[in-house]
Amino acid sequence: GESVGLHLPTLSVQEGDNSIINCAYSNSASDYFIWYKQESGKGPQFIIDIRSNMDKRQGQRVTVLLNKTVKHLSLQIAATQPGDSAVYFCAENTGFSGGYNKLIFGAGTRLAVHP
Amino acid sequence: GAVVSQHPSRVICKSGTSVKIECRSLDFQATTMFWYRQFPKQSLMLMATSNEGSKATYEQGVEKDKFLINHASLTLSTLTVTSAHPEDSSFYICSARYRDATEAFFGQGTRLTVV
Repeated sequence: GESVGLHLPTLSVQEGDNSIINCAYSNSASDYFIWYKQESGKGPQFIIDIRSNMDKRQGQRVTVLLNKTVKHLSLQIAATQPGDSAVYFCAENTGFSGGYNKLIFGAGTRLAVHP
Repeated sequence: GAVVSQHPSRVICKSGTSVKIECRSLDFQATTMFWYRQFPKQSLMLMATSNEGSKATYEQGVEKDKFLINHASLTLSTLTVTSAHPEDSSFYICSARYRDATEAFFGQGTRLTVV
């Protein structure tokens, strides 16, 4: 039967606009963070990552900002395109620098890009 | 980039039977593999982490006798869902990481439907 659970929040943007997707992480000991893009029926696709000793990292059309004080991560997508429509997850890695190493996913946000 | 292949991509089985899902790293040695489960419109939930040659470490609430994980080689991990029931129907995704590498690469997922 169908599971009852949280529905993903949706961010709707116009093509060409900038998108900002936010994520709150849970573990202050997390030392590595990744943003993933997931299209329907597929596995997550790596977008960009950032280590805890940084607060900003830029890629092609994407920027990740990390605020460790409030345990907040954001993904900025410049000039959003229809192909950017997908579900976006942040993930936190605990134990990268030693100890038990695992990747935990956040709740996710659906990005809908309208022409 | 590194490729992780998951097989099968879709499987339908009868209630009470067992199903095996394979996860292969095609061009690198996966010292650690992660298995996730994803219900519709929800995030990826980590089920277990396995290191090559060792027993898997299961997350709280995941039954190790029901979800058997084998990571016998550096390129292959398997997840067997034993005595499957309709509530086990879900999207199962593996990911693989090499040693202390930062990035984990994801398979394309397996859609399991138990009827």
